[in-house]
Amino acid sequence: QVQLVQSGAEVKKPGSSVKVSCKASGGTFSSYTISWVRQAPGQGLEWMGRIIPIIGITKYAQKFQGRVTITADKSTTTAYMDLSSLTSEDTAVYYCARGDGRFDPWGQGTLVTVSS
Amino acid sequence: DIQMTQSPSSLSASVGDRVTITCRASQSVNIHLNWYQQKPGKAPNLLIYHASSLQSGVPSRFSGSGSGTDFALTISSLQPEDFADYYCQQSHSTPHTFGQGTKLEIK
Repeated sequence: QVQLVQSGAEVKKPGSSVKVSCKASGGTFSSYTISWVRQAPGQGLEWMGRIIPIIGITKYAQKFQGRVTITADKSTTTAYMDLSSLTSEDTAVYYCARGDGRFDPWGQGTLVTVSS
Repeated sequence: DIQMTQSPSSLSASVGDRVTITCRASQSVNIHLNWYQQKPGKAPNLLIYHASSLQSGVPSRFSGSGSGTDFALTISSLQPEDFADYYCQQSHSTPHTFGQGTKLEIK
C-alpha cells in the first residue's frame, strides 16, 4: 500500500522560493509517477506537473513553466517540488499524488503561506 | 487547455436521496475522466476513474457514466459521510484540469 507523507507547513516572503518534499513508502517508487496539485484557500484543484522517477522525466503545466522544478531522489524515495518567485497568489495547500492523470493516493498536503 | 465545468456548484440533499452531479468538458476527453471526493482539511480521494470504473474500496452507491464531453457522478442513496466536495478531472491531456467543484450539503 503506497503512502505519501509530505513536509510541514511553510511561511515564505514574496520573491522567495519554497521546496516541499513528499516521501513515499510501499510499492516501488521508481515504477510510478508523482504529480503535484495545489489548492488555494477555498478554491479548486490545479495540476502543476509530474515526474517519472525511474527516468527523471518531468512535465509542467504551462502556467508554472520556468518557476517550478520537480525532482525525485530514488535512494530516499522522496519527490520534491520547488516553486520560485513566490507571490501571495501562491498561498495554497500543495499536494503530491501518485499517478499521471489518475491520482491515488495523495499526500496529506503542505500549506505554503506567502506573506510579507 | 481543456475546461471542465461542473454543475451544480452546490447542492442540498437529505440522507437517502439520490443525487447526480454533472461535468462537461470543453472538448472530447473520451473516457479519461475521474471523480474525487474531498472532505474539509483532507486530501481528495479518488472515487471513479475511466468515467465509470469504481476505485477499490469505494462504496457501490457511487457510480459514474458518460463519455466524450458529458459525464455524471451519481450517489444512489446518500449517507451522512457523503457530504463533501466533489471534483471531476480530465486525464486526456496535460494540463490535467479539474472542474470547479460541487459542494454537497445536508438539507
